[in-house]
Amino acid sequence: DAGVTQSPTHLIKTRGQQVTLRCSPKSGHDTVSWYQQALGQGPQFIFQYYEEEERQRGNFPDRFSGHQFPNYSSELNVNALLLGDSALYLCASSLDRSTGELFFGEGSRLTVL
Amino acid sequence: SQQGEEDPQALSIQEGENATMNCSYKTSINNLQWYRQNSGRGLVHLILIRSNEREKHSGRLRVTLDTSKKSSSLLITASRAADTASYFCATVNAGGTSYGKLTFGQGTILTVHP
Repeated sequence: DAGVTQSPTHLIKTRGQQVTLRCSPKSGHDTVSWYQQALGQGPQFIFQYYEEEERQRGNFPDRFSGHQFPNYSSELNVNALLLGDSALYLCASSLDRSTGELFFGEGSRLTVL
Repeated sequence: SQQGEEDPQALSIQEGENATMNCSYKTSINNLQWYRQNSGRGLVHLILIRSNEREKHSGRLRVTLDTSKKSSSLLITASRAADTASYFCATVNAGGTSYGKLTFGQGTILTVHP
């Protein structure tokens, strides 16, 4: 049973560029959430997707956008990258009717130069 | 802003000792969870305690919750070097429309020396 998979694992971009990160949820899970974790900090909620729609959003600008596909996989897009966007981006999946336990992927480490 | 604040920020102990980490939060919650993270990798769910529960056990883990003080503690007994990691508490707010949104604290870095 495959867990949550994310790609790429590492990437380097320059300011102003755009990036797309990908996530496949754990088998049987229909809800995907994205988190940003800066170095030395706890993860911060970006947004959550369910039934191909953004259902909840954290305090992130609209440079951060996402998508969920019919197979429940998801993408996170960040436009006009800033140095402060450098972080570990974590994808987590869950069952919508669950109590909230999340299953995390290993993350995508983004460095913005 | 961070909902949860862990205390201490860092903890260093010897193998076999117990490790206790504390977490405080600000709003009413549906449940509180503890996660572990090894060296900046993905987080692993350890244990969940609901707002109407006061204590929960799982193997060497013991979690307590005091909703009147808006605080929780995680006790790891008989620690091992493999327990070395960062530990985060995370809350699901009461009345939320979805359980997928967790609010994390800044974590406690635990180092267990062999």
